[in-house]
Amino acid sequence: DAGVIQSPRHEVTEMGQEVTLRCKPISGHNSLFWYRQTMMRGLELLIYFNNNVPIDDSGMPEDRFSAKMPNASFSTLKIQPSEPRDSAVYFCASSAARDRNTEAFFGQGTRLTVV
Amino acid sequence: QQQVKQSPQSLIVQKGGISIINCAYENTAFDYFPWYQQFPGKGPALLIAIRPDVSEKKEGRFTISFNKSAKQFSLHIMDSQPGDSATYFCAARLSGTYKYIFGTGTRLKVLA
Repeated sequence: DAGVIQSPRHEVTEMGQEVTLRCKPISGHNSLFWYRQTMMRGLELLIYFNNNVPIDDSGMPEDRFSAKMPNASFSTLKIQPSEPRDSAVYFCASSAARDRNTEAFFGQGTRLTVV
Repeated sequence: QQQVKQSPQSLIVQKGGISIINCAYENTAFDYFPWYQQFPGKGPALLIAIRPDVSEKKEGRFTISFNKSAKQFSLHIMDSQPGDSATYFCAARLSGTYKYIFGTGTRLKVLA
């Protein structure tokens, strides 16, 4: 299995532009998580989906952030408009979640820089 | 309070030495405590995890010690190797949810 696949690996964009991050979870996994990692705040859960349905989006920082999971094999995290303070590494993770102890597997992340 | 406080921020250990990383929490509504290892340019990967009804768990050179009354848990890496050089995160899961609160990370460097 190729693991969780995120694209792009790196994204540099200008303030005000729309940014879309993409994630392909591991086949057969039914839970998907988006995290943001910064030096100041560490790893923060933004949103998680179970069976393609958003369960908890309380970590989404602002209305500028939105996430979708149109099917079991694809999810997007969109920032519109982007701001310099959104610069971070964004991770997607997935798990089989048969029970809550199933390990979450992380992708390699997307490093976003907003200038 | 949903914080998990992790220390030290960075750690340098000689090869063969013991690396110790500590975490503390305040919220008692956590039910699972994993440790993650992250190499540069990679996502975090689960290393070892413990439930609060267990005081210690060992997997190879890695041991979690858990003190429920003190609300503290720690990771011990025995016989530390240069390949262990990475950033380590502790985490705590809110009971009844999939939500993990992560520590701020410890950057470990093991000298050859």
